[in-house]
Amino acid sequence: GENVEQHPSTLSVQEGDSAVIKCTYSDSASNYFPWYKQELGKRPQLIIDIRSNVGEKKDQRIAVTLNKTAKHFSLHITETQPEDSAVYFCAARAAGNKLTFGGGTRVLVKP
Amino acid sequence: NAGVTQTPKFQVLKTGQSMTLQCAQDMNHEYMSWYRQDPGMGLRLIHYSVGAGITDQGEVPNGYNVSRSTTEDFPLRLLSAAPSQTSVYFCASSRKVRGNTIYFGEGSWLTVV
Repeated sequence: GENVEQHPSTLSVQEGDSAVIKCTYSDSASNYFPWYKQELGKRPQLIIDIRSNVGEKKDQRIAVTLNKTAKHFSLHITETQPEDSAVYFCAARAAGNKLTFGGGTRVLVKP
Repeated sequence: NAGVTQTPKFQVLKTGQSMTLQCAQDMNHEYMSWYRQDPGMGLRLIHYSVGAGITDQGEVPNGYNVSRSTTEDFPLRLLSAAPSQTSVYFCASSRKVRGNTIYFGEGSWLTVV
């Protein structure tokens, strides 16, 4: 089955700096890669996603890149703000609409 | 349109007890699934369904049963609760279209003592 590795597990950045989280996946059949933000005690919230026919997608301060050949994708957050502090999860979806999650990255934005 | 609704939100069980976590969605989604999230970890797939009458196992199915008698409902049954099943459980749903957005319920916090 699919295996998703996520790095780093924790990330501390200064407010205004950029944050980058990287994920790799194992199943070349995976075709959908969402990123979720989860605040303490809340459900995962979709923040951006990318499909396998696209290499990059941007939404304001958030961007995601996908390299299908290398089977890795990354989340980029620019101009970080304290409200960006949360746990971020990458995921990959292959056959049967099953979503496999990475282990999560705890991001702390220091003011 | 309530989205994905889970009940109960909090539950404490004694070891060996059984219970059912309820999940309902009003978006006419074909796909529904259950995940568990242990403290400080990612979500792991327990069971999923691609439509009424069809269910399959995910990554961690042992100790859990599911059924899908209607499109709207996808209950998760704990047969004989164990402390290792203490976790937060999330139900999710999506359309059958490939690459479609997955919507999560608010979660059910389960403690087994």
